[in-house]
Amino acid sequence: DAGVIQSPRHEVTEMGQEVTLRCKPISGHNSLFWYRQTMMRGLELLIYFNNNVPIDDSGMPEDRFSAKMPNASFSTLKIQPSEPRDSAVYFCASSFAADTQYFGPGTRLTVL
Amino acid sequence: DQQVKQNSPSLSVQEGRISILNCDYTNSMFDYFLWYKKYPAEGPTFLISISSIKDKNEDGRFTVFLNKSAKHLSLHIVPSQPGDSAVYFCAASYAYNNNDMRFGAGTRLTVKP
Repeated sequence: DAGVIQSPRHEVTEMGQEVTLRCKPISGHNSLFWYRQTMMRGLELLIYFNNNVPIDDSGMPEDRFSAKMPNASFSTLKIQPSEPRDSAVYFCASSFAADTQYFGPGTRLTVL
Repeated sequence: DQQVKQNSPSLSVQEGRISILNCDYTNSMFDYFLWYKKYPAEGPTFLISISSIKDKNEDGRFTVFLNKSAKHLSLHIVPSQPGDSAVYFCAASYAYNNNDMRFGAGTRLTVKP
């Protein structure tokens, strides 16, 4: 299995622009998670889905952030408009039946 | 509100010696604890876990100890190897919802040859 796939690996954008991060979970996994890693706060859970349904989005920092999972093999995390404080590494992870979470390589986002 | 805390941002150890990474948590509802290891430019990978019904879990060179009364867990690596150099994240989840996992800020371990 290819593992969790994230794209792009790096994204540099200007403040105010829309950013879309993409994730393909491991085939057969039914839970998908979006995390953000910063130096100050470490890994923060933003949102997670079970069977494509958002279960808990309490970690989403603001209305500028939105996430979707249109099917079992694809999810997006969108930031609109982006701000410099959104600069971080964003990880996607997937799991089966609340078992071990497997993480993707992450997307490093820089907002200028 | 950091419910899982790793107060040491970095740790340096000589090869062959023991590495001890510490983690504290504040929420007594946490029931399951994990350690993840992260190399640069990669995502975290699961290392070892422990349920609250145990106080110790061992897997090869890695042992996790849990002290529920103190709300403290630690990861011991014996003997430490240069390949163990990485960032280690402590995580905790609830018995009723293993999906809701809270991570610490991480500890960067450097093992010197």
